[in-house]
Order: sequence, then C-alpha cells, then structure tokens
Amino acid sequence: KAGVTQTPRYLIKTRGQQVTLSCSPISGHRSVSWYQQTPGQGLQFLFEYFSETQRNKGNFPGRFSGRQFSNSRSEMNVSTLELGDSALYLCASSFGGRGEKLFFGSGTQLSVL
Amino acid sequence: AQSVAQPEDQVNVAEGNPLTVKCTYSVSGNPYLFWYVQYPNRGLQFLLKYITGDNLVKGSYGFEAEFNKSQTSFHLKKPSALVSDSALYFCAVRSSNAGNMLTFGGGTRLMVKP
Repeated sequence: KAGVTQTPRYLIKTRGQQVTLSCSPISGHRSVSWYQQTPGQGLQFLFEYFSETQRNKGNFPGRFSGRQFSNSRSEMNVSTLELGDSALYLCASSFGGRGEKLFFGSGTQLSVL
Repeated sequence: AQSVAQPEDQVNVAEGNPLTVKCTYSVSGNPYLFWYVQYPNRGLQFLLKYITGDNLVKGSYGFEAEFNKSQTSFHLKKPSALVSDSALYFCAVRSSNAGNMLTFGGGTRLMVKP
C-alpha cells in the first residue's frame, strides 16, 4: 500500500513569488492535514480538508491556502512568499476520525531566498 | 487552547539502558495523546496513542507510554534503548471537543550511545 506522497521534495523560490505544493494521501483516506515545521516554531497546524471541505484552520495568514479534490489529493498554495516561509511542509492523511493516527509524507522543503 | 510541553531538548542514554522522554499537556475536554518519531529528512512516524482505557499504552518498536491524568503527563518509555532509536520524538495532543488538529510539543532529540 503506497504511503503519503508529497511533491516536489525540494523547492527554491524568491520573495514575492507564489508556490503550490501537492499531496496524495493513502488510498481510501479522506482527510488531509498540512503542517509547517521550522526550527524556531516547531510543528504548526495549517489546515485540514475532509471530503473537499476545509474542516479546520490554524493561525496562519490568508497567504496560505489549500484545497482538496474529489480524489482526496490536496494542494496548498502560498502567495507572496516571505523569507520566514522557509520550512518543511508536511502533509498527513487519515480516514478522518478524531482518534485516528495520522500518516505523514516525507515533506516538501521550501527555501525562500 | 491546547498545548504540549516537552521539557528536555535532548535526552542522552547508553544503549541497553531504559529511556524516558517527558511530555505534559493542557487541553479542555478529554485528551487524545500521541507520540511520533522523526528520522532525518523524513516525515513523522506514528509510535503510539492514548484515547481511552488502560493508562499504559504499548506501541511500535518496544515503546510504551503512561497516561497520568492527575499530572497531565504522557511520558514515553522503553526498557532497553537501541542506537537505532536515536531520532527526534514529538508528543502531540488533540482535544475530543475540538477540531481534528494536532498540537505538537517542541520535540526531544534522543541520542543513544553505544
């Protein structure tokens, strides 16, 4: 059974640009969550999508957005990139129940220059 | 609001010795508690969880954790450490009352020396 797949693995962008990250969940999983990991702030929740609807949202500015498609694949977009957006972005999937464990992808390492 | 504290940035232990990685939490409602491990350049891997039931939870790779409601703690333990256990460990909490989001602690780096 294939795991959670995130593409691309690495990205280098410059300030002011926008970026789109992709996440393919485990087959059958309907919930996809996104987390930002930085050395200073640790792991922070961005948002969660379930059946194409945003179910939860963390405390990030509106420059961070996401969506989920009918096949449960998800994308997150960051517009007007800032240096502080440099981070490892992790996607996690599950069936959607609250007590479930999350399955994480290997992440997309974004560097903003 | 929910929060997790991992008071030790790093834990050093000799191979074969028992290890403990500490975690305390704050949450409204009943907590759902998790431990994850992260190896270099990888995502997080699930180790174990507490939802309800027995306070001692057994998980992957010989790890276990004890839920203590009065002390709001969920410490990770292993009777005999392996060098291959060296990694970054994260404790996380989710409230049964809140949405489906995990709040993570800052992480504890475990170093197991031969």
